[in-house]
Amino acid sequence: KAGVTQTPRYLIKTRGQQVTLSCSPISGHRSVSWYQQTPGQGLQFLFEYFSETQRNKGNFPGRFSGRQFSNSRSEMNVSTLELGDSALYLCASSLQDLSYEQYFGPGTRLTVT
Amino acid sequence: AQSVTQLGSHVSVSEGALVLLRCNYSSSVPPYLFWYVQYPNQGLQLLLKYTSAATLVKGINGFEAEFKKSETSFHLTKPSAHMSDAAEYFCAVSDRDGTASKLTFGTGTRLQVTL
Repeated sequence: KAGVTQTPRYLIKTRGQQVTLSCSPISGHRSVSWYQQTPGQGLQFLFEYFSETQRNKGNFPGRFSGRQFSNSRSEMNVSTLELGDSALYLCASSLQDLSYEQYFGPGTRLTVT
Repeated sequence: AQSVTQLGSHVSVSEGALVLLRCNYSSSVPPYLFWYVQYPNQGLQLLLKYTSAATLVKGINGFEAEFKKSETSFHLTKPSAHMSDAAEYFCAVSDRDGTASKLTFGTGTRLQVTL
């Protein structure tokens, strides 16, 4: 079974632009979570989607948003990019409602210049 | 809010030696606990998890961890280190409720394995 896939793997954007990252979960998985990883702040939870609804949200500004489609694929959007948004963005999927076992994708490395 | 502390940002062991990576959590109610490993330029791979069954949990690649409620700890061990174990290890915790999918991670421990 294919793992979690994320596209693109690398991205370079300019401050002020917006960006959309994509995540395809493992087949059959209905929950998708997003995390930001930076050297300074470590791994931080952004949000989680289940059945196209945002179920949990971390402490990030409104510039960070996401959505989930009926096939469970998810996208994350960051508007008005700042230098501090440079990070590895990781997507994780899990099989069931309230499942605690998450499987991570390889991440998208975003660099904001 | 849940939190987890990993003692030691860098640990160095010789190949064949015992690996011990420390993790302590803060919660009055035992949470779900996890260990993940991250290799360079890769995502996170689940090593093992504690969800309320046996307190000694065995994972992949010869790793295991013991949940000790009295010490609020979930330390990761491996009897004999291998060069391929060199990576960054993260302890994580989540609540046993509607936020179970929200993982809170420790700051990570980079494991170096020397000859």
